[in-house]
Amino acid sequence: RKEVEQDPGPFNVPEGATVAFNCTYSNSASQSFFWYRQDCRKEPKLLMSVYSSGNEDGRFTAQLNRASQYISLLIRDSKLSDSATYLCVVTRSNYQLIWGAGTKLIIKP
Amino acid sequence: GAVVSQHPSRVICKSGTSVKIECRSLDFQATTMFWYRQFPKQSLMLMATSNEGSKATYEQGVEKDKFLINHASLTLSTLTVTSAHPEDSSFYICSASAPEGVEQYFGPGTRLTVT
Repeated sequence: RKEVEQDPGPFNVPEGATVAFNCTYSNSASQSFFWYRQDCRKEPKLLMSVYSSGNEDGRFTAQLNRASQYISLLIRDSKLSDSATYLCVVTRSNYQLIWGAGTKLIIKP
Repeated sequence: GAVVSQHPSRVICKSGTSVKIECRSLDFQATTMFWYRQFPKQSLMLMATSNEGSKATYEQGVEKDKFLINHASLTLSTLTVTSAHPEDSSFYICSASAPEGVEQYFGPGTRLTVT
């Protein structure tokens, strides 16, 4: 079993819709959690950190459920520019980043 | 945010040659730099972690004699792919972290094609 698992997608979503991604992790000692975004043939860019209390940044909301060991990302009012691969990232106790394989999102006009 | 540069962005080389990739943190001192490799449609795979002034720590399955890493200063790390083969063709990405944070800042990546 992979340490971080994501649905690879692709998720085909009409512009303006709300889309949600989930990610599960297996290491209960994981310390920090992030969502990264990666455009095709580009490096990953940090989208947001994920906190236990949940956090919001504009149209993006991230939540963490430690008991169930999953992380979610919600995108509201999706834009064409949101099309990308979204990577769930979890750190081990030594701060090493463990990457999910990513979920591909395609926003259609 | 912090800026990390990587050079070259793209390189094509012949089988058997060596290729050096540079990773620089431009506006902060990076105590730790990471080298990743990403094959098409796959997740990033950590190759090695390097701390300034010490030997890199390689992940299982990564040959340290083939992928030479040097982290001579707090702003520069290099990865040299020695005797490259076509199966080494991949997207190589470096990242750097500052002493006070967990967050990693990524370079733009280097696309290596070995013919």
